[in-house]
Amino acid sequence: DAGVTQSPTHLIKTRGQHVTLRCSPISGHKSVSWYQQVLGQGPQFIFQYYEKEERGRGNFPDRFSARQFPNYSSELNVNALLLGDSALYLCASSLWSAGYNEQFFGPGTRLTVL
Amino acid sequence: DAKTTQPPSMDCAEGRAANLPCNHSTISGNEYVYWYRQIHSQGPQYIIHGLKNNETNEMASLIITEDRKSSTLILPHATLRDTAVYYCIVRVLGSWGKLQFGAGTQVVVTP
Repeated sequence: DAGVTQSPTHLIKTRGQHVTLRCSPISGHKSVSWYQQVLGQGPQFIFQYYEKEERGRGNFPDRFSARQFPNYSSELNVNALLLGDSALYLCASSLWSAGYNEQFFGPGTRLTVL
Repeated sequence: DAKTTQPPSMDCAEGRAANLPCNHSTISGNEYVYWYRQIHSQGPQYIIHGLKNNETNEMASLIITEDRKSSTLILPHATLRDTAVYYCIVRVLGSWGKLQFGAGTQVVVTP
């Protein structure tokens, strides 16, 4: 079975640009979460979506937005990129949001902002 | 969610048991202890979770103290492929899926 997939694998942008990152969850999983991992730190929660609705938001500026599509795939958008947005962006999927359910992480998208 | 404290790094000899400690002194009664690990350049991988009883699966064992203020993840026979950053996370079961990662413990398994 395919795991969580993310695209692109790597991305280089310049300050002020906009970026869209994509995530496809494991088949049957309805919840997608996004995390940002800066080098040397643990992942930080950005968003969670379940059944196309936002269910949680971390402490990130409004430049960060996301959405979930009817097929449960998701996009993370970041506007007006800053150097500090350089990080590994991780997507995780799970069967549902609440209750015990293991989150499966994708390999991430490495974003470099120059 | 309660915060956790882990040692920044530890070494382990291949074939020996690796015991990874985690302090969560402010854990609430409805919070579970989760362990994830992240091998270099990969996404985090779920290992195990528990509430108050000891748990074991094919990857590891989780020992939670009676007062629930600390826990230990045990990798019974460490291999080189177990070299990774290990994260201890506490989370309310039934809460939306946010995982609050700390800095974790860098475990290096040596031959």
